Formats: sequence, C-alpha cells, structure tokens
Amino acid sequence: EVQLLESGGGLVQPGGSLRLSCAASGFTFSGYGMTWVRQAPGKGLEWVSTIIHTGGSTYYADSVKGRFTISRDNSKNTVYLQMDSLRAEDTAIYYCVKGRDGYYSNWGQGTLITVSS
Amino acid sequence: DIQMTQSPSTLSASVGDRVTITCRASQSISSWLAWYQQKPGKAPKLLIYKASSLESGVPSRFSGSGSGTEFILTISSLQPDDFATYYCQQYNSYSRTFGQGTKVEIK
Repeated sequence: EVQLLESGGGLVQPGGSLRLSCAASGFTFSGYGMTWVRQAPGKGLEWVSTIIHTGGSTYYADSVKGRFTISRDNSKNTVYLQMDSLRAEDTAIYYCVKGRDGYYSNWGQGTLITVSS
Repeated sequence: DIQMTQSPSTLSASVGDRVTITCRASQSISSWLAWYQQKPGKAPKLLIYKASSLESGVPSRFSGSGSGTEFILTISSLQPDDFATYYCQQYNSYSRTFGQGTKVEIK
C-alpha cells in the first residue's frame, strides 16, 4: 500500500523558512516523480512543485519560484520542500503527491503551514 | 499557463440524479486531463485520468469524456457518498493547473 507521510508543518513568521519532508513507502520511490500541491484554507488546489524520479529536473509554480526548493533523497525514500521568504499567502495545507504520467495517483494526508506574525 | 475553468461552481442535486460537470481549458490539452474528488478535511482522490480512463477501484457510475479544450465528468446516478468537491487538472504542460472546483451539494 502506498503511504506518503508529510512532516515539518507549523506556524512561521513572514519572511521565515520551513522545510517539509515526505516519507514514502509501498512503492519503488526512485521510479516516480513527486509533487507538492497546496490548498489555502477554503480554497482550491494549487500545484507548487515537481521533481522527476532521478532528481535531475525540477519545476515550480511562478508563485513560489526563487523561494521554494524541491529535492529528494532516493536512498531515504523522502522528498523535501525547502520554503524560504514565506508570505502570508503561502498559508495552506501542503500535500505530498505521487505522480503517474503527469497526474496524481496518491496523496498524503497533508501538513498545515501557517505564515503569521 | 493553461487556465482551467469548471462549471458550475456549485451544483445542487438529489440521490439518483445524473450529474455533469464541465471543465474547459484555455488551450488544447489533447486528453491530458484528470478528475479528482475531495471530501471535507480529506486529501483529494483520483477518479479519472487521460480524460476518460477510470482509476482502479473507482465506481463505474463515474465517467469522463472530452478532448482538446472541453471535458465532462459524469456521475450517472448520484450516491450519498458522492457529495463532495470535484476538481479537474491538466497535465499537458509541466506547469500543472487545476480547475477552481465544483461543489456537489444535497438538494
């Protein structure tokens, strides 16, 4: 069974940093691209970032480009999202998602990031 | 970026109704479209991929159709478990985008 377990969420001040982790199990992690999708309170889904299976290519939404960095450690079956220069509008639930040919077959339970002073 | 527009934003329906949700892309995305269902407090769940392929384990009352810029999600006979919010998502470009969502409410 595929499991995706996010951690690292919490309250952070504007301008601060946070690193999210997602521990994956139940599938061959090194064979799949991984993605972060977020959802602001009461709002819709927003794609944030994707990293291909090797880690060799990464992609970002314009709203986070230059502030967020996605990475992965295939030896630890873990994907990360380093979030710097956080803004109030980054407040959201962040979901770790397993990609399959561009769509998202498995989702974690999400971790809440609140950016507030 | 490719914009995805869903209609309606909210839909009121009764158990047993046939329900259709439309998703329009701002440019052609061939058949690179997925549909998700989300219930309050839960993560989204994949229903349909490649516009019309039913994900394993999803009830056959769900179906998808369309290509190019217009797509439809159909629930043939609405069940109590289907009251939720539905999202479309394009994966034609690496800058993935979702529709704004359609909430299916009890009439």
